[in-house]
Amino acid sequence: EAQVTQNPRYLITVTGKKLTVTCSQNMNHEYMSWYRQDPGLGLRQIYYSMNVEVTDKGDVPEGYKVSRKEKRNFPLILESPSPNQTSLYFCASSSSSGGAAKNIQYFGAGTRLSVL
Amino acid sequence: AQTVTQSQPEMSVQEAETVTLSCTYDTSESDYYLFWYKQPPSRQMILVIRQEAYKQQNATENRFSVNFQKAAKSFSLKISDSQLGDAAMYFCAYRRNAGGTSYGKLTFGQGTILTVHP
Repeated sequence: EAQVTQNPRYLITVTGKKLTVTCSQNMNHEYMSWYRQDPGLGLRQIYYSMNVEVTDKGDVPEGYKVSRKEKRNFPLILESPSPNQTSLYFCASSSSSGGAAKNIQYFGAGTRLSVL
Repeated sequence: AQTVTQSQPEMSVQEAETVTLSCTYDTSESDYYLFWYKQPPSRQMILVIRQEAYKQQNATENRFSVNFQKAAKSFSLKISDSQLGDAAMYFCAYRRNAGGTSYGKLTFGQGTILTVHP
């Protein structure tokens, strides 16, 4: 089954304690992205990756890091989380090939993060 | 930069009735895609319908259809014969079709919460 898997689904942490949210896709997609969802703001892109070792900032990258060492994985790293990073996070993947499917982003189930 | 605006924070509809959700966007591009995503309480993002800007014909998917007005930069979603399972947050989204990094980025609106009354 084609899917994007995020872990964990829920996470409560304290300010300054480094954390990683994992994301993995099994569709051999080149493109992967991280978004955060906040009330009244919709989803905003944090970082994206065009392929292995190629990443770039999205609209709200401050306080986040990413890496793309393997095509299937795209972890999101918060090295020193702060309360304003409390949010719902989504990983997504897409492809530039594959006919009609190339225009679709596939989303993970989301990670609810609370930073105290 | 592209922006997407959903001016209706909340909408409601009676079961079996029709409802239209509004979306406007701003872009200087001529080639792009527009999408409607549904987010039920499970938080999963589900693609409802998509529209290619160079196609004049409005997209339809069963009970869901769009009214795409390219000159007005408007992209509304019509849900016919509303069902209780349609209750969700709906997001309008835009993607450039310029190759390269444009494949990886969606710009979203603020979302509209749809309530369906039995």
